[in-house]
Amino acid sequence: QVQLQESGPGLVKPSETLSLSCSVSGYSINTGYYWGWIRQPPGKGLEWIASMYHSGTTYYNPSLKSRVTISVDTSENQLSLNLNSVTAADTAVYYCARLSRYCSRGSCDTYHYFMDVWGKGTTVSVSS
Amino acid sequence: QSALTQPPSVSGSPGQSVTISCTGSSSDVGGYKRVSWYQQPPGTAPKLMIYEVSSRPSGVPDRFSGSKSGNTASLTISGLQAEDEAHYYCSSYTSSNTIIFGGGTKLTVL
Repeated sequence: QVQLQESGPGLVKPSETLSLSCSVSGYSINTGYYWGWIRQPPGKGLEWIASMYHSGTTYYNPSLKSRVTISVDTSENQLSLNLNSVTAADTAVYYCARLSRYCSRGSCDTYHYFMDVWGKGTTVSVSS
Repeated sequence: QSALTQPPSVSGSPGQSVTISCTGSSSDVGGYKRVSWYQQPPGTAPKLMIYEVSSRPSGVPDRFSGSKSGNTASLTISGLQAEDEAHYYCSSYTSSNTIIFGGGTKLTVL
């Protein structure tokens, strides 16, 4: 059974860099699938941040791209997220997730777009 | 990229059916079958309910169904149960190789 567990600092000061990790168990990241980050500000909806394949292919939300770096450590089987120059608007629950693609009758779509496994999330507050 | 448009809230009585709409554009919902839906009860992580417009993951009851017409996707929940009360989010792949979510719909079971 695939499980994801996020970890982070809990509290970050404005203008600093937020660093999060996601430990994956029950599946080897370098076997396949895309892996990504999604966040949810308090009382608001979901926002996709970024997705990555173990080989290095990455996709970013254009609104966050200039501040975000996603990476994978296959030796530790972990996914990471760095978000720099944070403000109060970055206060949210951050989720990591596995992204899958549609397959039917032995043929699979090119794009991994739906999140079929989620972590429980980690809360990050930005405040001085 | 703008969020997909969902009604803020819907409601229904136990046993009834409700439908949640999700409107985008030809660059996302209308252009692909890559639409998914997520259920999020309060204080929990989202759960995948529908992918590829109408496919259900193993374990999701067949009371949940998805469809699409033009730029609008829909999630229908039939035979409403109290446990269905949650927020529901649609999501779509876009022509820019990104993913966008809807603003979310709160389902209340009366």
